[in-house]
Amino acid sequence: KQEVTQIPAALSVPEGENLVLNCSFTDSAIYNLQWFRQDPGKGLTSLLLIQSSQREQTSGRLNASLDKSSGRSTLYIAASQPGDSATYLCAVTSSNTGKLIFGQGTTLQVKP
Amino acid sequence: DGGITQSPKYLFRKEGQNVTLSCEQNLNHDAMYWYRQDPGQGLRLIYYSQIVNDFQKGDIAEGYSVSREKKESFPLTVTSAQKNPTAFYLCASGVAGAETQYFGPGTRLLVL
Repeated sequence: KQEVTQIPAALSVPEGENLVLNCSFTDSAIYNLQWFRQDPGKGLTSLLLIQSSQREQTSGRLNASLDKSSGRSTLYIAASQPGDSATYLCAVTSSNTGKLIFGQGTTLQVKP
Repeated sequence: DGGITQSPKYLFRKEGQNVTLSCEQNLNHDAMYWYRQDPGQGLRLIYYSQIVNDFQKGDIAEGYSVSREKKESFPLTVTSAQKNPTAFYLCASGVAGAETQYFGPGTRLLVL
């Protein structure tokens, strides 16, 4: 059974710092991996989607990498800003079931 | 505006009562999904529908029911059989078999 784990559960950094969020998954049979952002009490917004054949995707200050063989992904946020404060969720699409399987999220606080 | 809407934003349930959460989308998506999110946890799939008049159980369907009479609508009923209904409920839609899902703003269900 696919399991997705995110470390750390919470992170607090000063503004301007570069940071890395980690995601690991137990089964390499995936179609893709996505990173979502969730603001408190809100829905999810897709940030980046990496196909299983890709190694990384970039959008602005965000860069996500995927190492399918080792079951790991990282989300790199450059020059963090207070507006980046949110919960970041990692999810994989299982190629066995077609379903999205989520990690528990990392809650990020960027202090001014 | 195209999008996915959920109502109400907050819902209170009395013991033994059934309550229904609304989810509507005007994105012309075939697939719709219901997820449950508990504090500090990722999303878990309750039910999903790939096409009108058809739906399948997700990982935690017990105590819930759905219908899909129209393409635009996928209401979720939390029945009295669900003993721990307090959670944040998220609806999503997408093109069946496609890569990503689009999420609504969520409904928070509380028990009186």
